[in-house]
Amino acid sequence: GDSVTQMEGPVTLSEEAFLTINCTYTATGYPSLFWYVQYPGEGLQLLLKATKADDKGSNKGFEATYRKETTSFHLEKGSVQVSDSAVYFCALSDPNTGNQFYFGTGTSLTVIP
Amino acid sequence: DADVTQTPRNRITKTGKRIMLECSQTKGHDRMYWYRQDPGLGLRLIYYSFDVKDINKGEISDGYSVSRQAQAKFSLSLESAIPNQTALYFCATSRQLSTDTQYFGPGTRLTVL
Repeated sequence: GDSVTQMEGPVTLSEEAFLTINCTYTATGYPSLFWYVQYPGEGLQLLLKATKADDKGSNKGFEATYRKETTSFHLEKGSVQVSDSAVYFCALSDPNTGNQFYFGTGTSLTVIP
Repeated sequence: DADVTQTPRNRITKTGKRIMLECSQTKGHDRMYWYRQDPGLGLRLIYYSFDVKDINKGEISDGYSVSRQAQAKFSLSLESAIPNQTALYFCATSRQLSTDTQYFGPGTRLTVL
């Protein structure tokens, strides 16, 4: 069945460091891929998405590229800020399973000044 | 006003009690979802509804029931709460395509003593 595997946390970085959070997926169809962010005490909100192979999603300095050959959608940011501290979830939506969403377990990021 | 609202935001109850969590949305979406979030487990799907007459079990539906009262309202019930149902519960909505984003409510923190 469909699944998403993402990098275990927690991750602690200094401000202005480079961020990578790995995400790989298994899907029966051609899924859309998403990164969601959850700030403390809040619900999840969409960070970026990519709907087909080789698409790059980007938002707020974050980027992720849909790599079909490696079934990956790694999240990157060149210079993190304290305000980026949050939990990040990778997810997929598969048309072969009625467009159900499958989420990874989440990666907690803390950025220290 | 928020697009997806959940009530209550926090609830403490005792084992054996019946609890209802409510979700309302103003986005006009047909699809609505209930998830629970537990530390280290990410989000797991409890129930989902593709329209008012279509309700489906998710990954972990045992011990839960739902009611779709209208396009905009989707309630989750715990008929007889137990301590391992202590979790953060999220409602979400979406349109129909696999490329469509899910929009989340702020969550309900439920504690079962």
